[in-house]
Amino acid sequence: GDSVTQMEGPVTLSEEAFLTINCTYTATGYPSLFWYVQYPGEGLQLLLKATKADDKGSNKGFEATYRKETTSFHLEKGSVQVSDSAVYFCALYNQGGKLIFGQGTELSVKP
Amino acid sequence: DTGVSQNPRHKITKRGQNVTFRCDPISEHNRLYWYRQTLGQGPEFLTYFQNEAQLEKSRLLSDRFSAERPKGSFSTLEIQRTEQGDSAMYLCASSPTGTKQETQYFGPGTRLLVL
Repeated sequence: GDSVTQMEGPVTLSEEAFLTINCTYTATGYPSLFWYVQYPGEGLQLLLKATKADDKGSNKGFEATYRKETTSFHLEKGSVQVSDSAVYFCALYNQGGKLIFGQGTELSVKP
Repeated sequence: DTGVSQNPRHKITKRGQNVTFRCDPISEHNRLYWYRQTLGQGPEFLTYFQNEAQLEKSRLLSDRFSAERPKGSFSTLEIQRTEQGDSAMYLCASSPTGTKQETQYFGPGTRLLVL
């Protein structure tokens, strides 16, 4: 079945460092891909999405490019802030109703 | 209110008791989803509705779990005879139908602790 694999955390960075969180997927067909962010004690917020190969999703300085050839959707940000500290989830949607999530990657940004 | 709301936000119960959670979706959204999230894991799909019809249920949704959306607006998730393994965050999400149905918007969740 479909699945999503993320790099394990926690990831600890200094403020203004470059961020990459790896995400790869296994799916039949052509899924849509998402990144969600979860702040402590809260629900998930949609960060960005891409619906077809080579699409780039972007929001709040974060970017991810849908790479069908490598089945990847890595999240990047050029300069992280303390306020970016959260758990990031990669997810796919491939027909039917459900999102399939990775296990999440915790990001901690130190001043 | 333009977001998904869930009540209660926190629930502590004793093993064997029944609990019910409520979700109010974004008003124009036809689809409503329930997920369960345990500590350190990503959310896992439980079930979803399109209007009042329950279209899919996960194998995770045992006989002790039941979800309803009687008028196609809010939904309830009931857990009967709770067990300690039911302790988790229960997340609700909603989406429109059609070309944008894949983008789901989540509520703040209900955190359940079964003692």
